[in-house]
Amino acid sequence: GESVGLHLPTLSVQEGDNSIINCAYSNSASDYFIWYKQESGKGPQFIIDIRSNMDKRQGQRVTVLLNKTVKHLSLQIAATQPGDSAVYFCAENLSGTYKYIFGTGTRLKVLA
Amino acid sequence: SAVISQKPSRDICQRGTSLTIQCQVDSQVTMMFWYRQQPGQSLTLIATANQGSEATYESGFVIDKFPISRPNLTFSTLTVSNMSPEDSSIYLCSSMSGGGTEAFFGQGTRLTVV
Repeated sequence: GESVGLHLPTLSVQEGDNSIINCAYSNSASDYFIWYKQESGKGPQFIIDIRSNMDKRQGQRVTVLLNKTVKHLSLQIAATQPGDSAVYFCAENLSGTYKYIFGTGTRLKVLA
Repeated sequence: SAVISQKPSRDICQRGTSLTIQCQVDSQVTMMFWYRQQPGQSLTLIATANQGSEATYESGFVIDKFPISRPNLTFSTLTVSNMSPEDSSIYLCSSMSGGGTEAFFGQGTRLTVV
């Protein structure tokens, strides 16, 4: 199927290594953040979220870090696997609204 | 989590024609949204589909070009009118149950206009 992220920045990681994907968000009034994974031919899939009253949240093999001072979000994937190859987007939810603003995205390529 | 189905999953259309995309959610949801994802780009919100009232459009998107229906709490349609090659994109339906909650997405409709 068609690929998304053909022109997006690419992060290449060796299988088994840890991946760190970064995102700068735009609005200091945003209070809820999500990382999405989008595989080729599919819609974005929820990975992990974090609220603005936290600076770290862990899931299964994934960790999200939030630095409100510099409006920065990162996604860490431990022991990266071939199935992690996809485009990753951060999304911010403006406080008091239903709107999400999506970041530009990063394509993660896992090398065998 | 809600499951969202979109139809068609892809289509190739002639310029000047219109295409209606359907979005079905497996549960009643308050908010439904339509996004556009141009090739190699991120997602851009087109409009919020409100049940029982007109859709709310984002800057740069107008009702004449992208009419939306929301007849009930589980269904919405987006029409891409008078298409041109610049409308070639992935169109995504999304839903959420309230502010500050995760948004779920359909698999997208891949539109190519020739």
